[in-house]
Amino acid sequence: GAGVSQTPSNKVTEKGKYVELRCDPISGHTALYWYRQSLGQGPEFLIYFQGTGAADDSGLPNDRFFAVRPEGSVSTLKIQRTERGDSAVYLCASSFQARTGELFFGEGSRLTVL
Amino acid sequence: GQQVMQIPQYQHVQEGEDFTTYCNSSTTLSNIQWYKQRPGGHPVFLIQLVKSGEVKKQKRLTFQFGEAKKNSSLHITATQTTDVGTYFCAGPPGGGNKLTFGTGTQLKVEL
Repeated sequence: GAGVSQTPSNKVTEKGKYVELRCDPISGHTALYWYRQSLGQGPEFLIYFQGTGAADDSGLPNDRFFAVRPEGSVSTLKIQRTERGDSAVYLCASSFQARTGELFFGEGSRLTVL
Repeated sequence: GQQVMQIPQYQHVQEGEDFTTYCNSSTTLSNIQWYKQRPGGHPVFLIQLVKSGEVKKQKRLTFQFGEAKKNSSLHITATQTTDVGTYFCAGPPGGGNKLTFGTGTQLKVEL
């Protein structure tokens, strides 16, 4: 597709479960970002990839959160032992050029932890 | 860490009125970007400003980057119902690669 694709669009899980959220960026975009957005707030930075490596993971809230991008394209955000406070929309964005490039966002994955 | 604040948090206007949102960063920014998020949607890029004092226009929208590169504004002339949404500014702290988003201004336009 032409845009950033995220799956699932909606995920409901129980407290303590493990979840994976997938992001397929725009072809050719080397920079990939994960953000988290709670209701009424701006996107909160989680992690940034340049190619396959996590160039900046300073926004990950704790060690329950982990993200990979093994081949420099698709990325997976992994959340272990989910908590109710993890409920939010997880946004993925890609950019052709890091630092000065515009971000193209996907539709997001809405995570609800019961 | 860097903080990016926007005011006002909410703004209700009558269609045809003007609207302005202000963005203030606690640190100097190498560039600033503006995004619009429609209700239920995802942020969509509007523009990027790089130079101190830069002003750019897109039809009814005027964007300005402050001389000190710590603040910015977005002005919409003669709002329309299609302008409804939340407007975010975003900038890279310390010239890094991640964008820190502002708190956003939610605009509602009434007929």
